[in-house]
Amino acid sequence: DARVTQTPRHKVTEMGQEVTMRCQPILGHNTVFWYRQTMMQGLELLAYFRNRAPLDDSGMPKDRFSAEMPDATLATLKIQPSEPRDSAVYFCASASGITNEKLFFGSGTQLSVL
Amino acid sequence: AQSVAQPEDQVNVAEGNPLTVKCTYSVSGNPYLFWYVQYPNRGLQFLLKYITGDNLVKGSYGFEAEFNKSQTSFHLKKPSALVSDSALYFCAVRDGGSYIPTFGRGTSLIVHP
Repeated sequence: DARVTQTPRHKVTEMGQEVTMRCQPILGHNTVFWYRQTMMQGLELLAYFRNRAPLDDSGMPKDRFSAEMPDATLATLKIQPSEPRDSAVYFCASASGITNEKLFFGSGTQLSVL
Repeated sequence: AQSVAQPEDQVNVAEGNPLTVKCTYSVSGNPYLFWYVQYPNRGLQFLLKYITGDNLVKGSYGFEAEFNKSQTSFHLKKPSALVSDSALYFCAVRDGGSYIPTFGRGTSLIVHP
């Protein structure tokens, strides 16, 4: 089965360290989303790419977060420097076409910043 | 602007009984509505969608959802619950002019044996 692959599955780091999360979208999908899930806020959109171009990153703290798609098979989300409030589960999702009628989610990266 | 509300944090139902998970939405144009399910330590999985057409939409695993325009609701239903249906359920909405869905906070469904 085609699936979205996220690495690492779990990450524990200390405050101030750089964190990089990676996502491999389903082959042929041209749209990628990054979401953050917390108990308090639920699912928050961080970034949205179509054809590797960032179309919306308004939900992302610009001072410490960055998202890129170096190529069509890889999306990255970086946090530098990390803070304890960044502890959450980060999901990547991909979709085909432009209407995004069905998103395919990865299993997430559970991040703990101590 | 688009938003979605799931008024119940948790729904409890006995196995074999019908279940309903509620969702209401707000959009400026025509709504595109979705339900996703999340099992523990997994990503969200698509269940069903409403774009246009029949108000009753059928999806995966025996789930269905009823679109009600006058009440701006899109409740998820299943005639007979299974213990294996226990999971976190998310409603999502976008309007016709946006390609980014907004998700609700999720409802935890617990099906008791």
